[in-house]
Amino acid sequence: QLQLQESGPGLVKPSETLSLTCTVSGGSITSPPFYWGWIRQPPGKGLEWIATFYYNGDTFYNPSLKSRLTISVDTSRNQFSLRLNSVTAADTAVFFCATYSVSSYAFDNWGQGAQVTVSS
Amino acid sequence: DIQLTQSPISLSASVGDRVTFTCRASQSVNTYLNWYQHKPGKAPKLLIYGASSLQTGVPSRFRGSGSWTDFTLTISSLQPEDFGTYYCQQSYSTPRTFGPGTKVEIK
Repeated sequence: QLQLQESGPGLVKPSETLSLTCTVSGGSITSPPFYWGWIRQPPGKGLEWIATFYYNGDTFYNPSLKSRLTISVDTSRNQFSLRLNSVTAADTAVFFCATYSVSSYAFDNWGQGAQVTVSS
Repeated sequence: DIQLTQSPISLSASVGDRVTFTCRASQSVNTYLNWYQHKPGKAPKLLIYGASSLQTGVPSRFRGSGSWTDFTLTISSLQPEDFGTYYCQQSYSTPRTFGPGTKVEIK
């Protein structure tokens, strides 16, 4: 069964770059479902979609984050990563990685999430 | 961006109750509307996709309905494990957006 696990520093300083990795197990990042995504949840708030991408590079970004966002895929390690630069306290959130099904048009398998706090 | 509103914001109900919550879109999303359950510290779980299709492994007490701008999620007989926050999400257009959630507590 496909499993996803987010990892990365829990604390990032303002103006620096937030980096997170999602490690996929139980399947290959280059095999179905092929599409992957990042979603975040600020404290006390709802879910916010960050990006959805195909393993070969086709990427769909949330326009509100696009200018600060980089998504990359490492097929050799079966991982994909998110980098968000110039962070502020407003970027404090739990970040989730997920699979995106093109048959259901839904995020059908999620990691448990990684807390990232932006603070000096 | 398509805005999703959910009501109620929260509800408290007893085991065995039938509960219904709604999601309204600011413009039509056809039936590209999904429902998720999220418990604190856990991975969100897809319940319903395409407005009314039950995700594999989800109990049949969960039922989704609606189209265009108005959608409903019904739990026919609330169970103790159904606590959590329920979010709707549209996949009709980019950016994908989520509703603010309905928090369900068990009395």
